[in-house]
Amino acid sequence: QVELVQSGAEVKKPGASVKVSCKASGYTFSSYGISWVRQAPRQGLEWMGWISPYNGNTNYAQKFQGRVTMTRDTSTSTVYMELRSLRSDDTAVYYCARDCYSTSCYVHWGQGTLVTVSS
Amino acid sequence: IVLTQSPGTLSLSPGERATLSCRASQTVSSTYLAWYQQKPGQAPRLLIYGASSRATGIPDRFRGGGSGTDFTLTISRLEPEDFAVYYCQQYGSSRWTFGQGTKVEIK
Repeated sequence: QVELVQSGAEVKKPGASVKVSCKASGYTFSSYGISWVRQAPRQGLEWMGWISPYNGNTNYAQKFQGRVTMTRDTSTSTVYMELRSLRSDDTAVYYCARDCYSTSCYVHWGQGTLVTVSS
Repeated sequence: IVLTQSPGTLSLSPGERATLSCRASQTVSSTYLAWYQQKPGQAPRLLIYGASSRATGIPDRFRGGGSGTDFTLTISRLEPEDFAVYYCQQYGSSRWTFGQGTKVEIK
């Protein structure tokens, strides 16, 4: 079965960087794009960007351009999301989610990683 | 693609019917439209994918429909556990979007 397992909670100071991992299993890693989505406290779901595990191509939301980098390691079926220059309003739960390209499949989500930015 | 959900809040009583709307700024393939339910402190729970397919374990009182730019989620008879926030999502590409959410609250 498809499974996405994310790294654990992080506490960071303003100005620091955080790197969250998402290890995929149960399917052919290179066949489906992975998006990162975040949810700040009492806010909605916000798409941050997408990476193709096949070739490493990325597409970032304009809001995060220049501050986020998404990478992948095909040898371990893991994708990474690094967010730099953290601010207090980056405090959120960060999710990775696997895309879907047919009527018979659906988006699979990781369990979420809480990132707290506090001085 | 911008997804706009309405209403922002829906105040209903248990047993009533809820109709939630998700309108897209441009055509969305029905294949790639999903609905989620979220309760406080929990991750989003997939209800509907492909605009009208219920996810595993989702009761049949939840029904998704629509096409093109207009999609709906209908809850035929609200149960106490259905009071939550609902999001629509378009996926299936390198750029996803979410609606801003509809809160279904107890009247």
